[in-house]
Amino acid sequence: DIQMTQSPASLSASLGETVTIECRASEDIYNGLAWYQQKPGKSPQLLIYNANSLHTGVPSRFSGSGSGTQYSLKINSLQSEDVASYFCQQYYDYTFGAGTKLELK
Amino acid sequence: EVQLVESGGGLVQPGASLKLSCVASGFTFSDYWMSWVRQTPGKTMEWIGDIKYDGSYTNYAPSLKNRFTISRDNAKSTLYLQMSNVRSEDTATYYCTTISFAYWGQGTLVTVSS
Repeated sequence: DIQMTQSPASLSASLGETVTIECRASEDIYNGLAWYQQKPGKSPQLLIYNANSLHTGVPSRFSGSGSGTQYSLKINSLQSEDVASYFCQQYYDYTFGAGTKLELK
Repeated sequence: EVQLVESGGGLVQPGASLKLSCVASGFTFSDYWMSWVRQTPGKTMEWIGDIKYDGSYTNYAPSLKNRFTISRDNAKSTLYLQMSNVRSEDTATYYCTTISFAYWGQGTLVTVSS
């Protein structure tokens, strides 16, 4: 099984700030990674697929990068509607990271 | 518009069986693989398994394959998850998802308790 280590577990940031969330895979996943946003009481929503491709309708302030075992999600100019939990998921055996809860400072 | 609507959750006793359904609309159901994913009350996400568009092949998370069975009825655009011998650790919200996890249902809550 491929393990996904996501950090940080929680994050507090100010409006307009840039935020970065990271996921590390236990082996090379060759860009087979997705990022999801989940707001309280709602289903996960796909943000990024194939490590760096923006899903349709997702604001351009969201971006994904990385390769090999290290990947990151960046949110530029944080907005109030970005308060949510974020999860990574790899495509090989579909395991998820533990999630990052993003709050406003 | 793609819609996925899960049902069948509820309170179930340990050791019992339960069958969840997911009715799909807004896309050609028989063209796509479908998956089940669950989320525990502590927010841990776990992929359960998936099924090929024609129902001829299934994959499961190794820890669940002996108790969970995924099936589909393309004529009814419906995906199923048969859960057997449920345990307290199966308490979770169960989601169906498709098209490379781009679309998710609203989830159905399963609570396993005596």
